[in-house]
Amino acid sequence: DTGVSQDPRHKITKRGQNVTFRCDPISEHNRLYWYRQTLGQGPEFLTYFQNEAQLEKSRLLSDRFSAERPKGSFSTLEIQRTEQGDSAMYLCASSLDRVQPQHFGDGTRLSIL
Amino acid sequence: AQKVTQAQTEISVVEKEDVTLDCVYETRDTTYYLFWYKQPPSGELVFLIRRNSFDEQNEISGRYSWNFQKSTSSFNFTITASQVVDSAVYFCALSLNYGGSQGNLIFGKGTKLSVKP
Repeated sequence: DTGVSQDPRHKITKRGQNVTFRCDPISEHNRLYWYRQTLGQGPEFLTYFQNEAQLEKSRLLSDRFSAERPKGSFSTLEIQRTEQGDSAMYLCASSLDRVQPQHFGDGTRLSIL
Repeated sequence: AQKVTQAQTEISVVEKEDVTLDCVYETRDTTYYLFWYKQPPSGELVFLIRRNSFDEQNEISGRYSWNFQKSTSSFNFTITASQVVDSAVYFCALSLNYGGSQGNLIFGKGTKLSVKP
């Protein structure tokens, strides 16, 4: 069990640029979740996948955000035309099913200059 | 609406003291799960415990214990004989457990615990 892996760990970019993050879940986990965490706050749900299907999106996920999980394995989260308010830690989690505990990756910290 | 409140923003204790972290949740659903996660300075969220809404038995795991009381909608976490390595931010979280639920976690704002030597 290698755990949830996220890449990169840190991303610094200029406002207006596009960024993409990758998450590799625990191999047998069907569910994959994306959360965003800002300083001093708990993680907030963004979206989740059941295998390759994206089944729910939070209202936090504006149309500049898109997520994919093409073959039901790894997932990508893309932010287009980044804004200052996008600066946050982006966390990925996976679980076997709806009720099993979610296991989190180390996160990708995004800083917008 | 569902909500988790962790009223204690920061707690500072001296090593070997006992400390209790409070968690109050709100939901109209009768079936749900409660969780505690630890986030050390390195950043990764570490799962500590999951509790089903129908199981009000308290649980002890080493120096950690959890007190679940549906009557007060609370799920408190106690660390006995705290150690410096316990220093972290602790999050309480709620997820719903009905057929159409996403299973996503609803987190509180966290309690930062500092254990001083």
